[in-house]
Amino acid sequence: AQSVTQPDIHITVSEGASLELRCNYSYGATPYLFWYVQSPGQGLQLLLKYFSGDTLVQGIKGFEAEFKRSQSSFNLRKPSVHWSDAAEYFCAVGALGRGKLQFGAGTQVVVTP
Amino acid sequence: DAGVTQSPTHLIKTRGQQVTLRCSPKSGHDTVSWYQQALGQGPQFIFQYYEEEERQRGNFPDRFSGHQFPNYSSELNVNALLLGDSALYLCASSWTDREAFFGQGTRLTVV
Repeated sequence: AQSVTQPDIHITVSEGASLELRCNYSYGATPYLFWYVQSPGQGLQLLLKYFSGDTLVQGIKGFEAEFKRSQSSFNLRKPSVHWSDAAEYFCAVGALGRGKLQFGAGTQVVVTP
Repeated sequence: DAGVTQSPTHLIKTRGQQVTLRCSPKSGHDTVSWYQQALGQGPQFIFQYYEEEERQRGNFPDRFSGHQFPNYSSELNVNALLLGDSALYLCASSWTDREAFFGQGTRLTVV
């Protein structure tokens, strides 16, 4: 069975500081991994994805994530956060195209001045 | 490209009623998936349609049903609404081996 765990429900970070959001997954086959961001009352926007190849993937808005198969992790990072990064972040695992996605419970990020 | 569009954006229904939500996929996409996101939780997979048939289904009761039309648009129907059906309903579209794109969602409130 596939599952996603985001250990941190809530993270507070100062503007300009670095951010790391944790994601651990369980998946029976080769995992396809995604990070989505959701602003209040909005849909999900894809930040980045890992299909295969280089384990460090770059996304939009200055985010990157590293896939570590040995740790079953896909952590999201940003070197310097902006106030506009305040949102909820979801890690997901699943198949491409016609496969369903399994989401984590999300991490709420608050950015302080 | 309009992306994935959903209608309506907000909806209030009474317990026991029926509701229909609509989704138009991103141009070029032929697969539509529906997700339910309760407050404070991650999205949960309801079902997926392509070639006008339900191909995969999550752990949702038969009160949840859907349809896909020849133009790839889709509807989600929920019968006999319960208070617990109050949630944000998200539609996602995709194509073969590419990632899913989500709409802005429909906020359903059951009173």
